[in-house]
Amino acid sequence: ETGVTQTPRHLVMGMTNKKSLKCEQHLGHNAMYWYKQSAKKPLELMFVYNFKEQTENNSVPSRFSPECPNSSHLFLHLHTLQPEDSALYLCASSQGVWENSGNTIYFGEGSWLTVV
Amino acid sequence: GNSVTQMEGPVTLSEEAFLTINCTYTATGYPSLFWYVQYPGEGLQLLLKATKADDKGSNKGFEATYRKETTSFHLEKGSVQVSDSAVYFCALTSTGGTSYGKLTFGQGTILTVHP
Repeated sequence: ETGVTQTPRHLVMGMTNKKSLKCEQHLGHNAMYWYKQSAKKPLELMFVYNFKEQTENNSVPSRFSPECPNSSHLFLHLHTLQPEDSALYLCASSQGVWENSGNTIYFGEGSWLTVV
Repeated sequence: GNSVTQMEGPVTLSEEAFLTINCTYTATGYPSLFWYVQYPGEGLQLLLKATKADDKGSNKGFEATYRKETTSFHLEKGSVQVSDSAVYFCALTSTGGTSYGKLTFGQGTILTVHP
């Protein structure tokens, strides 16, 4: 039990489908993140939410649409994806705004996405 | 900008061998440093961290010391086990301002331990 739960763990979708990834954290944190992990590439930060407000969009294509209804839940809505979007999508959370405190980020187990 | 460089993998060791995975960083200010581990088919787990110079993080027999003078945070373990086979990521968080705990990761080092 990591405290950050992601569903589904595996998802296969066609390029015309619409699907969503869900993340829930049980740690009482105020910041949540989406990361993308592709083969042979460093982990990429996609979005950051702090107290439900999006504070960073790391030049992510609009076919990825995040939603953060409250501090405990984070969604990633997917539509008209491309095969190169196939990757492991990791949700994470942390206490909140980091200020030289060594704020630790906790990750979920990830959702493996395959776009066919 | 910030960056993290890890030694090239994969690393293959026999059980009970000594492990070192090198990590060096470039960052402004005083970053915090982390090692994360990813076991096959799973997400990232925090292994250890250090928040200031000369701090030593340790967990599960792994250790790493925050060396500001050499901008390094090398991961070590005295005697590895087969169950340590995983991908290890060195990372740092930016300091202050609008960084919001943004982690900068190294490229990861694959460790395989044989019986």
